Amino acid sequence: DQQVKQNSPSLSVQEGRISILNCDYTNSMFDYFLWYKKYPAEGPTFLISISSIKDKNEDGRFTVFLNKSAKHLSLHIVPSQPGDSAVYFCAGSRDDKIIFGKGTRLHILP
Amino acid sequence: EAQVTQNPRYLITVTGKKLTVTCSQNMNHEYMSWYRQDPGLGLRQIYYSMNVEVTDKGDVPEGYKVSRKEKRNFPLILESPSPNQTSLYFCASSLSRSWEKLFFGSGTQLSVL
Repeated sequence: DQQVKQNSPSLSVQEGRISILNCDYTNSMFDYFLWYKKYPAEGPTFLISISSIKDKNEDGRFTVFLNKSAKHLSLHIVPSQPGDSAVYFCAGSRDDKIIFGKGTRLHILP
Repeated sequence: EAQVTQNPRYLITVTGKKLTVTCSQNMNHEYMSWYRQDPGLGLRQIYYSMNVEVTDKGDVPEGYKVSRKEKRNFPLILESPSPNQTSLYFCASSLSRSWEKLFFGSGTQLSVL
């Protein structure tokens, strides 16, 4: 069963606009949720995380929202920049395990 | 420079020939873990380690072994590789827990013929 789902394989957004990446989860036991970004031929890099007891966390242009009742989280990037073009992975963590989603490829259009 | 180093970067082997992918971190991190990335499946955790001599299975441990004899090293061992283990592998480390910022290596592309 897929505990962390990213249902949009890709997303295209105009430069300067808001990018919203979505993630759904089925496991209510996750303690933390995390977002990672990955460029081709590189390892993923950490973007932002949120504890399951919070509903929002912000870091510069990146904000993560957590809706526990809907088991849904989203990553907002404002404003979107060309360097944001990458694959974004959502993940849930419980105890010492981590489950990643399949990823969403974000294209920032000029 | 703080980093996670994996070797080799690329590896082509044949079915059944034992291989080891090395992983080393220079940040004195306690938590280390291995992942594989496959098209359409995203990243899946293979094994993780909370500290020296403490390892546990992730989501897809079958066909893999690990060891953590020293804090800085966490090798991934394929005793008898099979074609379905052809994948892109990543090692990662964090200060102490899986939910903390993970630092990833650059990856090892493995092909098993």
